[in-house]
Amino acid sequence: GQSLEQPSEVTAVEGAIVQINCTYQTSGFYGLSWYQQHDGGAPTFLSYNALDGLEETGRFSSFLSRSDSYGYLLLQELQMKDSASYFCAVRGGYNFNKFYFGSGTKLNVKP
Amino acid sequence: NAGVTQTPKFQVLKTGQSMTLQCAQDMNHEYMSWYRQDPGMGLRLIHYSVGAGITDQGEVPNGYNVSRSTTEDFPLRLLSAAPSQTSVYFCASSPDRANEKLFFGSGTQLSVL
Repeated sequence: GQSLEQPSEVTAVEGAIVQINCTYQTSGFYGLSWYQQHDGGAPTFLSYNALDGLEETGRFSSFLSRSDSYGYLLLQELQMKDSASYFCAVRGGYNFNKFYFGSGTKLNVKP
Repeated sequence: NAGVTQTPKFQVLKTGQSMTLQCAQDMNHEYMSWYRQDPGMGLRLIHYSVGAGITDQGEVPNGYNVSRSTTEDFPLRLLSAAPSQTSVYFCASSPDRANEKLFFGSGTQLSVL
């Protein structure tokens, strides 16, 4: 089966750096994705890591360690608009056609 | 560019009623899927399709049916609504089964009384 574990909630102040961790257990693995969801909104794709290492996209970076079954999303120079829930996701199933999501981490950014 | 369009945005049903949630995409995506989102449980896959005429079950398929007669449309049918189906439903699409990026619709908030 597939399981993804994330912290339920993280709080940080504006301008700071925050890291959201994700550990996963899957029967097969292509890569780890991250999605952002504001309250009342739809999830939107942020990043994808297929290989070990860090991928940077502006203020957001995502890291993957396949040997540790672990990844994280790093948000720098936090802004109030970054307050949202963040989900990690993997693709799995017997034919790798199913997406599995973590339960999400709610990020609260305070002034 | 509309992307993924879901209707309705809100719906209230009585136990035992049936209804169809509509999902359409205008990006010519092969892969389409339905998720439900409950508080504290993230997104769970209900059904998915890798192309017209091809559908398969996800993690939580019971009580739901789907069909994919065209590339654009992927409706989700609730056969006999139950209070346990109260949730927010999202439709998502991807260019093909090998693409990791999902494009989500705006969601349908469903309450079953």
